[in-house]
Amino acid sequence: GQQVMQIPQYQHVQEGEDFTTYCNSSTTLSNIQWYKQRPGGHPVFLIQLVKSGEVKKQKRLTFQFGEAKKNSSLHITATQTTDVGTYFCAHADFGNEKLTFGTGTRLTIIP
Amino acid sequence: NAGVMQNPRHLVRRRGQEARLRCSPMKGHSHVYWYRQLPEEGLKFMVYLQKENIIDESGMPKERFSAEFPKEGPSILRIQQVVRGDSAAYFCASSRGQRMNIQYFGAGTRLSVL
Repeated sequence: GQQVMQIPQYQHVQEGEDFTTYCNSSTTLSNIQWYKQRPGGHPVFLIQLVKSGEVKKQKRLTFQFGEAKKNSSLHITATQTTDVGTYFCAHADFGNEKLTFGTGTRLTIIP
Repeated sequence: NAGVMQNPRHLVRRRGQEARLRCSPMKGHSHVYWYRQLPEEGLKFMVYLQKENIIDESGMPKERFSAEFPKEGPSILRIQQVVRGDSAAYFCASSRGQRMNIQYFGAGTRLSVL
């Protein structure tokens, strides 16, 4: 199956700084999804990208899908303490839709 | 408008006991997925079920683990003769099953094996 690598594994930022996490695959992906998991919580769906070069924004969050559909990024502008958590990218298999998750990036905010 | 309901939220078992984890999908959803998350790791797919059918169990360990989604009632993930390595968070997700449909996750069951 598809393998999805995610970097960095951890990121500590001062409140107000920007944050970016990257997701990479060795093979072309038909789609990429992003989830956020708060400490002790469950994954919450953020966005889905399907088109080459697609860019979507949600307030301070910007999601990109690479032109070759092998990589994706999530950028948060001016982080806030509510952004704390682990951000996962995931790919949905064609047909059965099971999700293959990236390794995640844990974001901590220094107030 | 209830979301995906999982119970129990926390489950403690001694080695050799059985663990039963339950998942009720969102209203209108007939597709259920189970994922396991080991401490400090990402989520790993275990099994995909529709009502009365196992569609894909490629992520399930060959022994001790089983899953069902009966015509009536919740989906059940059953772990027999638990071992310490089974300690993890088990998440259930449901969807309508359409192409690239969003999966909604339950709050999970945290299993601790003593």
